Amino acid sequence: DTGVSQDPRHKITKRGQNVTFRCDPISEHNRLYWYRQTLGQGPEFLTYFQNEAQLEKSRLLSDRFSAERPKGSFSTLEIQRTEQGDSAMYLCASSLRQGINEQFFGPGTRLTVL
Amino acid sequence: AQKVTQAQTEISVVEKEDVTLDCVYETRDTTYYLFWYKQPPSGELVFLIRRNSFDEQNEISGRYSWNFQKSTSSFNFTITASQVVDSAVYFCAFREAGNMLTFGGGTRLMVKP
Repeated sequence: DTGVSQDPRHKITKRGQNVTFRCDPISEHNRLYWYRQTLGQGPEFLTYFQNEAQLEKSRLLSDRFSAERPKGSFSTLEIQRTEQGDSAMYLCASSLRQGINEQFFGPGTRLTVL
Repeated sequence: AQKVTQAQTEISVVEKEDVTLDCVYETRDTTYYLFWYKQPPSGELVFLIRRNSFDEQNEISGRYSWNFQKSTSSFNFTITASQVVDSAVYFCAFREAGNMLTFGGGTRLMVKP
C-alpha cells in the first residue's frame, strides 16, 4: 500500500530562482491538497484539486505560486522568483472524493531559500 | 480569526504518566469535522482520528482517547501511560463545508524515560 510521495525531500535554492515540487497521491485518491508549514506552526492550506480541476486557492498562494495536476494524478507546485520567506515545508495530502474523508499526508519537501 | 486553538505549546511528562492535549475550536456552522494528527520528528503527519459534529461519543483506541464536547467547543486528546515513542507534535484540525483543513498551532509533547 503506497502512501503519498513527494519529491524532492529537500531543496536548497538561491533567492530569485524557480523551484518545482512534485506530489504523487495515493492511487485511488482523486482529491489532492497542498499545504505549507513554517517552523513551529501548523500547516496552512494553499490549494486543492479534485481530479485535474483546481477548486480552491488560499490567499497565501501569491502569483509567484502555481500548481497543476494535468492528468488528475500527480501534481506539481512551482514557485517562481523565490524569496527567503518562502522557506518552509511544503506538504501534499490526498483523500478520497466520496464523503468526508481524512487527508493522508506525504513526507513533505523542505525548501530553504538562501 | 483563528478557528483552532491549542493553548499548550509544549508539554513534558515522564514515561507512564497520562497526558491530555487540549483543543478548542470556533465555528458558527452546525456541520463540521475535527481531526487529530501526529507529527513525529521524521516530519510526516500521521492521521489519528476524525469526528463529525453530530457524533459526540468519546472514542478510545488503545492508549489514546478523545473527548469531544460541543458545549465547550473542545476536542481533547488523552494519552494514557505515555511512552517515549509518543514524543511528537500533535495537531488538532478543523474542517467546515470547504475542503481545506485548518490546523491549530500544535502541541509539542516530550515524554522522558
